[in-house]
Amino acid sequence: NAGVTQTPKFQVLKTGQSMTLQCAQDMNHNSMYWYRQDPGMGLRLIYYSASEGTTDKGEVPNGYNVSRLNKREFSLRLESAAPSQTSVYFCASRADSGSSYEQYFGPGTRLTVT
Amino acid sequence: QKEVEQDPGPLSVPEGAIVSLNCTYSNSAFQYFMWYRQYSRKGPELLMYTYSSGNKEDGRFTAQVDKSSKYISLFIRDSQPSDSATYLCAPSGGYQKVTFGTGTKLQVIP
Repeated sequence: NAGVTQTPKFQVLKTGQSMTLQCAQDMNHNSMYWYRQDPGMGLRLIYYSASEGTTDKGEVPNGYNVSRLNKREFSLRLESAAPSQTSVYFCASRADSGSSYEQYFGPGTRLTVT
Repeated sequence: QKEVEQDPGPLSVPEGAIVSLNCTYSNSAFQYFMWYRQYSRKGPELLMYTYSSGNKEDGRFTAQVDKSSKYISLFIRDSQPSDSATYLCAPSGGYQKVTFGTGTKLQVIP
């Protein structure tokens, strides 16, 4: 199993450009998440999806949109990138069985907006 | 005030030392307490998971939760250079959302 995969690994955008970050998991998990990680700020939740067809805002949703394409895939879109969106983006997924709250993370996408 | 406070470090210790990593939190609704380990340029991975107050041991690692003082600790015995990473405390009170601390960077010197 590949676990959680993310593409691309690195990206440089100019202010105003758009892009979509892709995430896929092969663990048959219902819940998926997008976080951003910035120095001194820790991991902050952007959006999450509790199941296929549903999405909810997290702590820092402004400037982002998401799509839960199917159970496996959860994409994050930046419509008009801003320098403040320079960050490392992590996708995660979680099984909903039992009492485990473990989230499995992808390797991250390093995004720079100039 | 942040919901979870964690000293960012860096914390530098010699190999074999006992390491103590700590977090404080403000949300009384937190019931599940996790520690994630994140190696440089990698995604976080779950290290320890406890429910409510008390201790949990797993090999060289011990997680401790004191809900009365809202204090979370992770102890590493006989620390190894391979333990060098950033450690994130991550309490949760509900089904979906986990609140992550900013992480403490640990370096174990051989």
